[in-house]
Amino acid sequence: EAGVVQSPRYKIIEKKQPVAFWCNPISGHNTLYWYRQNLGQGPELLIRYENEEAVDDSQLPKDRFSAERLKGVDSTLKIQPAELGDSAVYLCASSLVWPGNSPLHFGNGTRLTVT
Amino acid sequence: GDSVTQMEGPVTLSEEAFLTINCTYTATGYPSLFWYVQYPGEGLQLLLKATKADDKGSNKGFEATYRKETTSFHLEKGSVQVSDSAVYFCALVIQGAQKLVFGQGTRLTINP
Repeated sequence: EAGVVQSPRYKIIEKKQPVAFWCNPISGHNTLYWYRQNLGQGPELLIRYENEEAVDDSQLPKDRFSAERLKGVDSTLKIQPAELGDSAVYLCASSLVWPGNSPLHFGNGTRLTVT
Repeated sequence: GDSVTQMEGPVTLSEEAFLTINCTYTATGYPSLFWYVQYPGEGLQLLLKATKADDKGSNKGFEATYRKETTSFHLEKGSVQVSDSAVYFCALVIQGAQKLVFGQGTRLTINP
C-alpha cells in the first residue's frame, strides 16, 4: 500500500509570509494527525482529525495556524504569517480507528525554514 | 501531565555491541508504550509496542519490557548492526486521551 504522502519536502520562506503543507493519508485511514518536530526534540501533536472533524486542536496556535480536511481525506496545514520560531519539520500521520492498537503511519515530513 | 523521558544522545557503538536506550514515563492513567524509529531521510516507523504491564514488545531483534513498578520501557538489542543507525523515540498513549506523547529521541550511530 502507498504510504502517507506529504508535500513539499522542503520549504524556505521569509518571516511574515504564508505557507501551506499538504498531506494525503493512507487510503481508508480515517484518523489524521499533524505533528511538529523541533530540532532535537520529539514530535508534538498540533491537531487530530477523525474523518473531517478536528477532535483535538488544543495545541494548535490558532492565531496563525489553520488546518482543514475536506471530505475526510487529504489535509492542508497553513501558517499565516510565519515566524522565525516556526522553523521545524511538520509531520503528517494517519491511522485506522484509535485507540492504540492501530499504529500511526508517518509521512516523511516537510522541513520548514523561516528566514 | 503525561510525559516521556529518554536517555540523552547521541549514542555511538561498534557493530555487534549490546544496546540499551533508557525510557521512563509519567502518566496519570494506564498507558500503552511504543518505540518508533526514524531512519535517515525517512518518516517515523513503529518498531514495537506493549499495551500492559509485563508485556514484552519485540521486532527486528529489538526488545522492550513494560515495567510498571519502575515506570520504564527500555529498548535493548543484543548485537547491533550498522543498519540500526537511526533516531529512536519512546512514546506513550493514554487510553481515552487518544494522544501519542513522544520523548525527545535518541540518535544512535553504529560504526563498522
